[in-house]
Amino acid sequence: GQQVMQIPQYQHVQEGEDFTTYCNSSTTLSNIQWYKQRPGGHPVFLIQLVKSGEVKKQKRLTFQFGEAKKNSSLHITATQTTDVGTYFCAGFSGSARQLTFGSGTQLTVLP
Amino acid sequence: GAGVSQTPSNKVTEKGKYVELRCDPISGHTALYWYRQSLGQGPEFLIYFQGTGAADDSGLPNDRFFAVRPEGSVSTLKIQRTERGDSAVYLCASSYGEGGTDTQYFGPGTRLTVL
Repeated sequence: GQQVMQIPQYQHVQEGEDFTTYCNSSTTLSNIQWYKQRPGGHPVFLIQLVKSGEVKKQKRLTFQFGEAKKNSSLHITATQTTDVGTYFCAGFSGSARQLTFGSGTQLTVLP
Repeated sequence: GAGVSQTPSNKVTEKGKYVELRCDPISGHTALYWYRQSLGQGPEFLIYFQGTGAADDSGLPNDRFFAVRPEGSVSTLKIQRTERGDSAVYLCASSYGEGGTDTQYFGPGTRLTVL
């Protein structure tokens, strides 16, 4: 079945440093979604990427979808303590009709 | 407007007991998903409803797990003969359209502990 792998599992950064998490799928995806889960909270939708090579920005967050639609990345510029949480990618392939989540990257931002 | 709600927020039960977990989706959302999330892991798909019918139940781990959505709104996840390995946070999500291409809105989850 479809597998989505995410690295790193944990990342500690000093406030102001950049952060990147990477997502790789075993199969070609129709789209990929990114979610953020704060400690003790539930996943909150951030963005969806659909097109090959697509790049989207949300303030300090930059999301990329690979040319082959099998990988994606999330980059945060100049992290802030409010960025703390676990970031999940979730891939959708039309044949499966379900989202497959990665295991997440837990981000800690040290003040 | 109200988001997705789930009850109870916490459920502690003994091994072998039966439990029901409830999900109230956002009004008007036709798609409803159940996920299970273990500590340190991403949500694991269980079942997807489109309206009243289960469009995909391939994620249910075994026949002790069953879910219904009789009127196309509220859904109940039912677990029979609970086992300690069933302990996890059970998340429900809903979306206006098909969840794979539409934004999924997650509820706060039910933390199930099986002693």
